[in-house]
Amino acid sequence: DAKTTQPPSMDCAEGRAANLPCNHSTISGNEYVYWYRQIHSQGPQYIIHGLKNNETNEMASLIITEDRKSSTLILPHATLRDTAVYYCIVRVEGSSNTGKLIFGQGTTLQVKP
Amino acid sequence: ETGVTQSPTHLIKTRGQQVTLRCSSQSGHNTVSWYQQALGQGPQFIFQYYREEENGRGNFPPRFSGLQFPNYSSELNVNALELDDSALYLCASSFVQGADYGYTFGSGTRLTVV
Repeated sequence: DAKTTQPPSMDCAEGRAANLPCNHSTISGNEYVYWYRQIHSQGPQYIIHGLKNNETNEMASLIITEDRKSSTLILPHATLRDTAVYYCIVRVEGSSNTGKLIFGQGTTLQVKP
Repeated sequence: ETGVTQSPTHLIKTRGQQVTLRCSSQSGHNTVSWYQQALGQGPQFIFQYYREEENGRGNFPPRFSGLQFPNYSSELNVNALELDDSALYLCASSFVQGADYGYTFGSGTRLTVV
């Protein structure tokens, strides 16, 4: 029951912005979008999340389209340490307090010198 | 913040055996969930505990069970291990109050079933 679609891989030049797209066309109105990244099968690292509005923090920006069917994660100045698998995730709500994260296949971002 | 810690980091078991994996949630978090990540795949939701009660479960058989303790530590138990249970098992904790919250993941336990 994957709810997100991402390109399997992307390249980015060091120092440039990395723009990672995600489609979530079946998302429901109360379902949040999360982005995590994973390096060498370590635990996923939180990047950012949002519901409707664009969000920005010290790591990245999240741009969500008005219809909420897609979003883009922006890493403003990619470094070699940003090389990782990036997951776009939808949190699906169940009964009270049963939100579960539905991961897709992820995008492998390779930052090159 | 103490983060989320999992133990052990690596484990090898024989098919048919039972295994217990442990997770210590981030301080103050009231919810813990477990995920299974097969090699090359995204993590899949196993189940979630909120205030010591299981309140959500993914498509996993009953031989996957868990516990959450008053100090918000948690266990994942798997009985009758199968070769396909070989995976990275991830624990994630969160403080659920309202709809807007994040998850902190541990580094995982790598289980190999032979």
